[in-house]
Amino acid sequence: EAGVTQSPTHLIKTRGQQATLRCSPISGHTSVYWYQQALGLGLQFLLWYDEGEERNRGNFPPRFSGRQFPNYSSELNVNALELEDSALYLCASSLVRARSSYNSPLHFGNGTRLTVT
Amino acid sequence: AQSVTQLGSHVSVSEGALVLLRCNYSSSVPPYLFWYVQYPNQGLQLLLKYTTGATLVKGINGFEAEFKKSETSFHLTKPSAHMSDAAEYFCAVSRNQGAQKLVFGQGTRLTINP
Repeated sequence: EAGVTQSPTHLIKTRGQQATLRCSPISGHTSVYWYQQALGLGLQFLLWYDEGEERNRGNFPPRFSGRQFPNYSSELNVNALELEDSALYLCASSLVRARSSYNSPLHFGNGTRLTVT
Repeated sequence: AQSVTQLGSHVSVSEGALVLLRCNYSSSVPPYLFWYVQYPNQGLQLLLKYTTGATLVKGINGFEAEFKKSETSFHLTKPSAHMSDAAEYFCAVSRNQGAQKLVFGQGTRLTINP
């Protein structure tokens, strides 16, 4: 089974530009999560999408946004980039079954390393 | 609110020695607990998880962890370290089996000395 795939693996942008990061979940997974892993700050939850809807959002400014497409893939957009946005952005997927409390643990992609200069 | 504290941002052990990575949690509801490992330039991989039932949980690569409610701990151990265990390890807590409210610790970098 193919794992979570993220593209690009590396992205270099200048301050003020916009970045778009992409994620394809494991086949059959309906939920996509985005995390930021900045140096010294650990893993910070950014966004959770399920069935095309934004379900939860971490403590990040509105210039961090995203969406989930009908095929459950997802896109993270970061507008007006700042130097401190430089980080590894990890996408993860899981299976959520709406009618029960069961859901699978997170499966992570290898991340997109965003560098803002 | 839930939180996780990993004691020691860096741990160094000799090859063949015991590995002990400490994790304490805070949760207002019965927690679900996870350990993830991150190898260089890769995403996180699930090592093991505690949901309900047996408090000693066995994971992949010879790792195990014990849930101790009285100590609010979920320490990760491996009897004999291998060079391939060098990685960063994250403890995480959630209110359910899934990931909607997953809160990660700051991570512990494990170094293995030959």
